[in-house]
Amino acid sequence: GQSLEQPSEVTAVEGAIVQINCTYQTSGFYGLSWYQQHDGGAPTFLSYNALDGLEETGRFSSFLSRSDSYGYLLLQELQMKDSASYFCAVRAAPGGGYQKVTFGTGTKLQVIP
Amino acid sequence: DAMVIQNPRYQVTQFGKPVTLSCSQTLNHNVMYWYQQKSSQAPKLLFHYYDKDFNNEADTPDNFQSRRPNTSFCFLDIRSPGLGDAAMYLCATSRDRLLLSYEQYFGPGTRLTVT
Repeated sequence: GQSLEQPSEVTAVEGAIVQINCTYQTSGFYGLSWYQQHDGGAPTFLSYNALDGLEETGRFSSFLSRSDSYGYLLLQELQMKDSASYFCAVRAAPGGGYQKVTFGTGTKLQVIP
Repeated sequence: DAMVIQNPRYQVTQFGKPVTLSCSQTLNHNVMYWYQQKSSQAPKLLFHYYDKDFNNEADTPDNFQSRRPNTSFCFLDIRSPGLGDAAMYLCATSRDRLLLSYEQYFGPGTRLTVT
């Protein structure tokens, strides 16, 4: 089966840097996505890693190590509006079937002044 | 702006009374998904359509059905809602199932309350 693990909660100070980790177990792995979801809102896409290494998009960066089945989301220059839940999501074709996306349990980030 | 629209945003239904949630998209995407998300939990995929090809997740209860009459619209039917079906229901689309189409676009969700 598939499983994804993330810390349930993280607190960080405005202006600081925070890293949210994600470890996964799956077969037929294609890539790892990150989504942001504010309370009461819909998930919005942040990034996608199919290959090992770091992808940077503005204040947000995402890293993947396929050999370690591990990735992280790095948020720099934290702002109060970054307070939200962050989900990693594995794109995989387990058992050689069709590709699908499975979401992790989510990490609730609280940014404090 | 191209988008994913869900109606209604809030739906209240009675225990056992059938309810339909709707989703429309102006993105002209081939794939449409329905997710169930309960409080403080991850979105859980119920099923998806690749064009007219319906794909049900193995653990989706038979109580949940879906229809996609055309590219733009997709419906979620809950035949006999139970109290445990109260959740946010999210519709999402993606351009394709292929490797390059990794981004899913989510609608605002419909929050279902079962009384």
